[in-house]
Amino acid sequence: GNSVTQMEGPVTLSEEAFLTINCTYTATGYPSLFWYVQYPGEGLQLLLKATKADDKGSNKGFEATYRKETTSFHLEKGSVQVSDSAVYFCALANTGNQFYFGTGTSLTVIP
Amino acid sequence: DVKVTQSSRYLVKRTGEKVFLECVQDMDHENMFWYRQDPGLGLRLIYFSYDVKMKEKGDIPEGYSVSREKKERFSLILESASTNQTSMYLCASKGQIYEQYFGPGTRLTVT
Repeated sequence: GNSVTQMEGPVTLSEEAFLTINCTYTATGYPSLFWYVQYPGEGLQLLLKATKADDKGSNKGFEATYRKETTSFHLEKGSVQVSDSAVYFCALANTGNQFYFGTGTSLTVIP
Repeated sequence: DVKVTQSSRYLVKRTGEKVFLECVQDMDHENMFWYRQDPGLGLRLIYFSYDVKMKEKGDIPEGYSVSREKKERFSLILESASTNQTSMYLCASKGQIYEQYFGPGTRLTVT
């Protein structure tokens, strides 16, 4: 079946620290992978995506590389800001219309 | 830009009431989804629809029904609201490409 496992939070970092949020997946075939971000009181927004192995998605200083050999799609940012405080969701989409989401990782960045 | 709107940001209802949550998208997407989001559980799919008048049960359909009479509108119905349906409800739509686009969410409290 299809599933996503992401590291549990909450994560608290100081401003300008390096961020990694781990995400691994189980899927049949060749899924597309996504990171969504949810700011307080809002819905989810697409942060980045990768549709095939070795693709790197990037946006707003965040990056994630689709690693088929390790079935991973870890989110990284070199220098976080207070405004990056949010909940981050890893997700996969396979054939068909359904998405499979991780449980979310809450990030708080302190000045 | 895709826009997904939900009828209310916050809603308070009494146990036993019939509750309607409405979602509208403006991109002529075929697929629409209803999720609920609870702390520690991530997003769980309630129902989705791949065409007008078509619907499929998700992971947690019990206590809910849906209606899709027009392509742009997807309604979630709680026939008789209960306190365990207090949650954040998120609507999403998806076209032919993989991304899902989310609305801002409705925080429902059932007292």
